[in-house]
Amino acid sequence: DTGVSQDPRHKITKRGQNVTFRCDPISEHNRLYWYRQTLGQGPEFLTYFQNEAQLEKSRLLSDRFSAERPKGSFSTLEIQRTEQGDSAMYLCASSLGDLNNQPQHFGDGTRLSIL
Amino acid sequence: DAKTTQPTSMDCAEGRAANLPCNHSTISGNEYVYWYRQIHSQGPQYIIHGLKNNETNEMASLIITEDRKSSTLILPHATLRDTAVYYCIVRVAWSSSNTGKLIFGQGTTLQVKP
Repeated sequence: DTGVSQDPRHKITKRGQNVTFRCDPISEHNRLYWYRQTLGQGPEFLTYFQNEAQLEKSRLLSDRFSAERPKGSFSTLEIQRTEQGDSAMYLCASSLGDLNNQPQHFGDGTRLSIL
Repeated sequence: DAKTTQPTSMDCAEGRAANLPCNHSTISGNEYVYWYRQIHSQGPQYIIHGLKNNETNEMASLIITEDRKSSTLILPHATLRDTAVYYCIVRVAWSSSNTGKLIFGQGTTLQVKP
C-alpha cells in the first residue's frame, strides 16, 4: 500500500506526558498537512509543510505542540505536557503541489486518549 | 469558517442514487469544490473535485451549477459501504503563495439503508 501511513494508530497516555506521532506521506508528495479532529466535528487544520519548510501554523497549535519534517519526507508531531483537551484524532495528509490542484490524501490518523 | 452549507443528514436506499447537495454562494472564481468522505474510524477519503465543469470518476459525479453557487455529489448506485460523513469543501486554487489547507464543515451524514 502506498498511501499515507501514520504511527501509532492509537496512543493512550497520562496527563502531563509527552507524545510523538509519525506520518509517512505518499512518496514524492512535497506538501504535508496535519489536522486534528475531535468527536463529532470535521478535521481542523494545524500546520503545513512544503518540503522541509513549515510555512503555516494554525492558532490551534499552542507552544506545547511542535512539528518537524527534517528531510522533506516523513513528519513528526510532538505534544508536550499533554492535557485532557488534547484528546483527539490527529490526521496527516499529503499532496503533490502543482498547478493541477491535486487533492490531499489522508492517513487513518492517530487517536490520542489522555487519561 | 467553512464556506459551504450542507444538510446534516440524509438517507438513501441501497441501489438507488444518492444526491448530496452543497451550497457555496460566496465561492470565488479561483476556488475549487472538493468532496471527501469519512467512514467511521478512518481518515477522510478524497472523492472528486471540480472548478466549473461537471466531473465524473469511478466513484461519483459532481454537478456544479452554472453560477457555481451550489453543487451536487452523485453516487449513482449507493451501497451500504457508502454510509459515511460527506464533506463539501471550497478551496482556493494552488499557488506558491497559499497552502491549500482544507477547511471542513460538519458535513452530511449519509445513511444507506437496505
